[in-house]
Amino acid sequence: DAKTTQPPSMDCAEGRAANLPCNHSTISGNEYVYWYRQIHSQGPQYIIHGLKNNETNEMASLIITEDRKSSTLILPHATLRDTAVYYCIVRAYSGGGADGLTFGKGTHLIIQP
Amino acid sequence: NAGVTQTPKFQVLKTGQSMTLQCAQDMNHNSMYWYRQDPGMGLRLIYYSASEGTTDKGEVPNGYNVSRLNKREFSLRLESAAPSQTSVYFCASSETSGSFYEQFFGPGTRLTVL
Repeated sequence: DAKTTQPPSMDCAEGRAANLPCNHSTISGNEYVYWYRQIHSQGPQYIIHGLKNNETNEMASLIITEDRKSSTLILPHATLRDTAVYYCIVRAYSGGGADGLTFGKGTHLIIQP
Repeated sequence: NAGVTQTPKFQVLKTGQSMTLQCAQDMNHNSMYWYRQDPGMGLRLIYYSASEGTTDKGEVPNGYNVSRLNKREFSLRLESAAPSQTSVYFCASSETSGSFYEQFFGPGTRLTVL
């Protein structure tokens, strides 16, 4: 799986959009970008994933650059409950077998009131 | 649906003691996983089971054994606990078809080895 680089921490004001960057310059053509988050002491929670097109769901938007070497997770209207560690994970489709996710240290997003 | 459940929530062991962490899922998922998370770190994969009847080592398997008891249950055993195994243990499950790789995580077991 390609290596990812994320800033260790970020602040965002409540109600504003939170933009979390991720670099994955060695990503290969069959690798997807996944985002998970972990709210204090809880198990991680899936947010969104994408291959090359931008994606949006009820939680967030994922913007992937045209060369796929970086991506941005956007939380459009951050609330205090969005304070968490956000993990950007790159991995290929496992072809019917599943062999786990590789978590880095992620970005600790702190939403300020 | 309860999702992924883990027992116990907390456990304190003495060095050399053994214990089994239990995990169950009610989503009819084929794949299950065990991770550990040390303070300030991301999760690391210990073992996984791609389907009922199969298990494979992950990144940090030493000192652990697993059993995929049936499709619902996946247990993690520490035969002789060591202080280095003090950690939070998370169980997860997922489907394996397609590219959609959503893993569902349990609430974790906080283990301290003295």
